[in-house]
Amino acid sequence: GDSVTQMEGPVTLSEEAFLTINCTYTATGYPSLFWYVQYPGEGLQLLLKATKADDKGSNKGFEATYRKETTSFHLEKGSVQVSDSAVYFCALSDYGGSQGNLIFGKGTKLSVKP
Amino acid sequence: DTAVSQTPKYLVTQMGNDKSIKCEQNLGHDTMYWYKQDSKKFLKIMFSYNNKELIINETVPNRFSPKSPDKAHLNLHINSLELGDSAVYFCASSQGRGSTEQFFGPGTRLTVL
Repeated sequence: GDSVTQMEGPVTLSEEAFLTINCTYTATGYPSLFWYVQYPGEGLQLLLKATKADDKGSNKGFEATYRKETTSFHLEKGSVQVSDSAVYFCALSDYGGSQGNLIFGKGTKLSVKP
Repeated sequence: DTAVSQTPKYLVTQMGNDKSIKCEQNLGHDTMYWYKQDSKKFLKIMFSYNNKELIINETVPNRFSPKSPDKAHLNLHINSLELGDSAVYFCASSQGRGSTEQFFGPGTRLTVL
């Protein structure tokens, strides 16, 4: 079945460091890809998404490009802030196969130190 | 205005009890979901409702029964609670299925003693 694999955490960075969180997927159809963020004690919020190959999603300085050839959707940010500390989830939605539910990776906890 | 709300935020109960978690969305969406997040933060879909009809039930024990009185509400009732049911439960909604964004509630932390 469809699945999402993302890098294990926790990831600890200093403020203004470059961030990459790797995400790869397996899907039989043509999934849409998402990054969700969960701040401490809160629910998930959509950070960015891409719905087809070569699309780039971006928001709040974060970017991810839908790479069909490598089945990847890595999250990047050029300069992280303390306020970016959260758990980041990569997810796919394959409405052709799984009736549209989101399949999540296991989450990567990011801690940014001042 | 809260888009997706859940009550209660925290729920502590004894094994064997029956409890309910309520979810409401004011976004006018036609699809609602329940997810379970375990202690390692892993999220898994439990149920999905589209226009009040169940469309997903991902091998959840039948002690869990979702109820959707209307398309703005999706409640989760759990019978005979077990220790392993301790988790954070998230409600979410979306307009349609597939590539659309899902909006999540703040979660309900259930602790079974």
